[in-house]
Amino acid sequence: EAQVTQNPRYLITVTGKKLTVTCSQNMNHEYMSWYRQDPGLGLRQIYYSMNVEVTDKGDVPEGYKVSRKEKRNFPLILESPSPNQTSLYFCASSSSGGTSTDTQYFGPGTRLTVL
Amino acid sequence: AQSVTQLGSHVSVSEGALVLLRCNYSSSVPPYLFWYVQYPNQGLQLLLKYTSAATLVKGINGFEAEFKKSETSFHLTKPSAHMSDAAEYFCAVRVDTGRRALTFGSGTRLQVQP
Repeated sequence: EAQVTQNPRYLITVTGKKLTVTCSQNMNHEYMSWYRQDPGLGLRQIYYSMNVEVTDKGDVPEGYKVSRKEKRNFPLILESPSPNQTSLYFCASSSSGGTSTDTQYFGPGTRLTVL
Repeated sequence: AQSVTQLGSHVSVSEGALVLLRCNYSSSVPPYLFWYVQYPNQGLQLLLKYTSAATLVKGINGFEAEFKKSETSFHLTKPSAHMSDAAEYFCAVRVDTGRRALTFGSGTRLQVQP
């Protein structure tokens, strides 16, 4: 089954304790992206990757890092989490295709609470 | 820069009634428009997308949307609501840039009353 998986689905942590949220897709997609969802704000892009070893900032990259060492994986790293990073995080992927209408497929989400 | 406005954070309809969720966009270049649905505790699922081929777009689960350039709108409709349609709906826009970021509206929660 074609899917985007994220782990963990729920995480409660404390300020300053480094964490990683994993994202994996099995569709051989070149493009991957991270979004955060906050009430009343919709989803905002954090980072994206056009292909292996190619990453760039989205709209709200501060406090986050990413890496793309393999095509299927795109982990999100919070080196020193703060309470304002409490949010619902979504990973998405799509084929490169060359068209702007490529459908982005979303993972199930990771709900992060930083105390 | 592009933006999306969804009018009404909560919409309640009776089962069998018309569903109308409003979306207006702002974009300086031709946009690509999407509607996504999010069921409780799940990720986002694509309902339909506007690709500039046809202004009336049909999606899954009986939903459709019409692109109206003069009104900068892309409202989502369904003739007859089902209990299973209760979810949050997001309108999103993307312009033709390498970043491919979707700009989302703030969402509309649809409640269906029996």
